[in-house]
Amino acid sequence: SQQGEEDPQALSIQEGENATMNCSYKTSINNLQWYRQNSGRGLVHLILIRSNEREKHSGRLRVTLDTSKKSSSLLITASRAADTASYFCATANQAGTALIFGKGTTLSVSS
Amino acid sequence: AAGVIQSPRHLIKEKRETATLKCYPIPRHDTVYWYQQGPGQDPQFLISFYEKMQSDKGSIPDRFSAQQFSDYHSELNMSSLELGDSALYFCASSLGQGALLVWPDTQYFGPGTRLTVL
Repeated sequence: SQQGEEDPQALSIQEGENATMNCSYKTSINNLQWYRQNSGRGLVHLILIRSNEREKHSGRLRVTLDTSKKSSSLLITASRAADTASYFCATANQAGTALIFGKGTTLSVSS
Repeated sequence: AAGVIQSPRHLIKEKRETATLKCYPIPRHDTVYWYQQGPGQDPQFLISFYEKMQSDKGSIPDRFSAQQFSDYHSELNMSSLELGDSALYFCASSLGQGALLVWPDTQYFGPGTRLTVL
């Protein structure tokens, strides 16, 4: 079964608006990571939040983690057209030896 | 900074042919992972290696095999290719299992190899 599920599947916003993507997972975690992928390209690591952290910032990114609800959110503030990409959350598989990715949210930012 | 290198970037094969994908991890990274991403799908874990030994196995078909060499580069060998094998194949590396400081460790992905099976 999928470790990470994301919603929405697709999100279209205007430049300058904020974008929020949510991720839910099923098992206990050590950390949760967010990745970005431009169409047909490699995945780029954005941010890692540990299980004992509730919120983390990196530039225009803000990630929250609620382990009681087994959910995380990624907020991109003041979005730009260049933020257009797919965003995936990822957690560890049961053995803790590989990442399991969610289905991803496709973000489109129009200028 | 050096990144993960994958070759070739694009590969076109016929059904039932074989293919070999190569991955060169970031220097000093000891763990290599392979993922497969079908069109519109999320990446699926195939197999990983730590210090040249197979670490874990995911949804890798028996037709595929992989290894990590003494210089830490890895190769994914795919035989009897099927149409459904057409996908992006990503390699990622991390300073992972040896450190155990932050697990799972941040994985750094290569640009991928786009395999098309005709």
